[in-house]
Amino acid sequence: GAVVSQHPSWVICKSGTSVKIECRSLDFQATTMFWYRQFPKQSLMLMATSNEGSKATYEQGVEKDKFLINHASLTLSTLTVTSAHPEDSSFYICSASGQYGTDTQYFGPGTRLTVL
Amino acid sequence: QQQVKQSPQSLIVQKGGISIINCAYENTAFDYFPWYQQFPGKGPALLIAIRPDVSEKKEGRFTISFNKSAKQFSLHIMDSQPGDSATYFCAASNFNKFYFGSGTKLNVKP
Repeated sequence: GAVVSQHPSWVICKSGTSVKIECRSLDFQATTMFWYRQFPKQSLMLMATSNEGSKATYEQGVEKDKFLINHASLTLSTLTVTSAHPEDSSFYICSASGQYGTDTQYFGPGTRLTVL
Repeated sequence: QQQVKQSPQSLIVQKGGISIINCAYENTAFDYFPWYQQFPGKGPALLIAIRPDVSEKKEGRFTISFNKSAKQFSLHIMDSQPGDSATYFCAASNFNKFYFGSGTKLNVKP
């Protein structure tokens, strides 16, 4: 149990375009979903926390107008990188919690975004 | 300010040996301490976790030792195998918000 999927697993886009990444909890209802960004050989940096049906809470320094997060259901959250630029290239990972009422976070496999 | 400090940054262990990774924290409000294993290009996978009311937890070859007074916790991997080669992250949580350590890259030599 506790499987989280992400789609796509990798995406290449042109500068100025928008990219949407989906995160799904496959076998449990995720009351909270998180979005992280990870640079090569570095730790995970929390970007935002979202609860189903509520606006996401963004970490300091994360542009909410650039990284749009929607948590429309207990099994789906999306991250849209708007007007992407090369500096947005990174590994984006989502996680979900809520299974059995615990605060354990289960991570998706990640999405590699490359902006040309 | 880094909430969770992890060491060492990298670790080389011979097959069959014990791998030990340490983490320290400052915030006494943390109430959940998980360890994650991450392979290149993949998301982190939960290995084992502990709460502060327990001093040790063992699952298979993986053991967490927790020292509440010292605000430290560690991961021990017994009988380390080449397949254990990965990056390990400790984390501390309060109100469902995780603070991750900087990671330890473990290389288990055959």
